[in-house]
Amino acid sequence: AQSVAQPEDQVNVAEGNPLTVKCTYSVSGNPYLFWYVQYPNRGLQFLLKYITGDNLVKGSYGFEAEFNKSQTSFHLKKPSALVSDSALYFCAVRVGSSNTGKLIFGQGTTLQVKP
Amino acid sequence: NAGVTQTPKFRVLKTGQSMTLLCAQDMNHEYMYWYRQDPGMGLRLIHYSVGEGTTAKGEVPDGYNVSRLKKQNFLLGLESAAPSQTSVYFCASTSAGQTYEQYFGPGTRLTVT
Repeated sequence: AQSVAQPEDQVNVAEGNPLTVKCTYSVSGNPYLFWYVQYPNRGLQFLLKYITGDNLVKGSYGFEAEFNKSQTSFHLKKPSALVSDSALYFCAVRVGSSNTGKLIFGQGTTLQVKP
Repeated sequence: NAGVTQTPKFRVLKTGQSMTLLCAQDMNHEYMYWYRQDPGMGLRLIHYSVGEGTTAKGEVPDGYNVSRLKKQNFLLGLESAAPSQTSVYFCASTSAGQTYEQYFGPGTRLTVT
């Protein structure tokens, strides 16, 4: 079965330190992978995606993610965390055929950045 | 562009009542989706549509119906609300030509008592 997992419910990091939010996936075929961010009482916002090509993908707000095929992982990273990065982060993978665009989401990881 | 909008933002229903949630997008997207978000469970797909007049079931369709009579609108209906349907509902859309990132509405918080 196709799935995506975020093993950490919450990640705590001090402002200015690097952060990593973990994601692993299980899909058949080549994965299309995404990260979204959700601020309180808001909808999800797209951060970045991996479709093909360079394993290091850069996205919005200074975030990047590294695709690792052998480890089936797509971890979200940022070199220097900001308090304003505190939010709920979702990893997602496209499933099914290309003519539906369906995604399945991980359960989400709360990122808390402390001053 | 307004992007994806949802109406209403909040609603409280009694068990057994019915209601319709409206999603509208002005990006001319072909594909639209309804999700529910519950704590610790991420987003789960309820129903989706790949075009006007077509709908399909997602992961958790029971108790919900949908309609896509116009390309820009996607309606989610609850015929007889149950407390288990208390949740935050999100609509999303994406283009068929590039079915990658989905664009989300702000959500509807529904409480069924």
